[in-house]
Amino acid sequence: EIHLEQSRVDVRKPGESLKISCQASGYNFATSWIAWVRQMPGKGLECMGIIYPHNSHIRYSPSFEGQVTISADTSIATAFLRWTSLKTSDTAIYYCARTHDFGDGFDSWGQGTLVTVSS
Amino acid sequence: EIVLTQSPGTLSLSPGERATLSCKTSHRVSASFLAWYQQRPGQAPRLLIYGASRRATGIPDRFSGSGSGTDFVLTISRLELEDFAVYYCQLYGTSLVYTFGQGTKVEIK
Repeated sequence: EIHLEQSRVDVRKPGESLKISCQASGYNFATSWIAWVRQMPGKGLECMGIIYPHNSHIRYSPSFEGQVTISADTSIATAFLRWTSLKTSDTAIYYCARTHDFGDGFDSWGQGTLVTVSS
Repeated sequence: EIVLTQSPGTLSLSPGERATLSCKTSHRVSASFLAWYQQRPGQAPRLLIYGASRRATGIPDRFSGSGSGTDFVLTISRLELEDFAVYYCQLYGTSLVYTFGQGTKVEIK
């Protein structure tokens, strides 16, 4: 069974850095894409970017290019999402999700990490 | 950049009724890259349909997808209580990124 395990909650102050994780199991992590999806409070879904762990090929959505860094470590089957300087507007739930190919949809999702940025 | 517009914003129906949700794209797209998701309150989204009409694993056959070009539809043939949720369409587009529609909430009338 495919499973994506995310840390549940993180609280930071504006200007702080943060790296959240998504640990995969139940499939070949290296050869499926992992996406990061943002959901701001009471709002819809936004795809931030996707990574192919095998070669770390990354595509960022234009709105998120330069704002975050996506990475992956195949040795521990884990994808990461990193901020160097958080803003209060980064407060949201962040989901990781898997797709085997671009036409397959995101067939497995993590439970989400709630990131709260507040002074 | 392709924009996905879902309608209606909210659909008020009773259990047992049929739900028809629309997703229109700003340019013609390949149906192969159109998906639908369900999100219940407090839960992660769940893939329902991919390739515009293919049901994902474990999805009941009361859910069906159709469409081509710029117009796509998700139909729930007979609503059950667990189906009252928010539904999103999603496209993998020519800009090599994924885009979601703004969502349709299906609520109990």
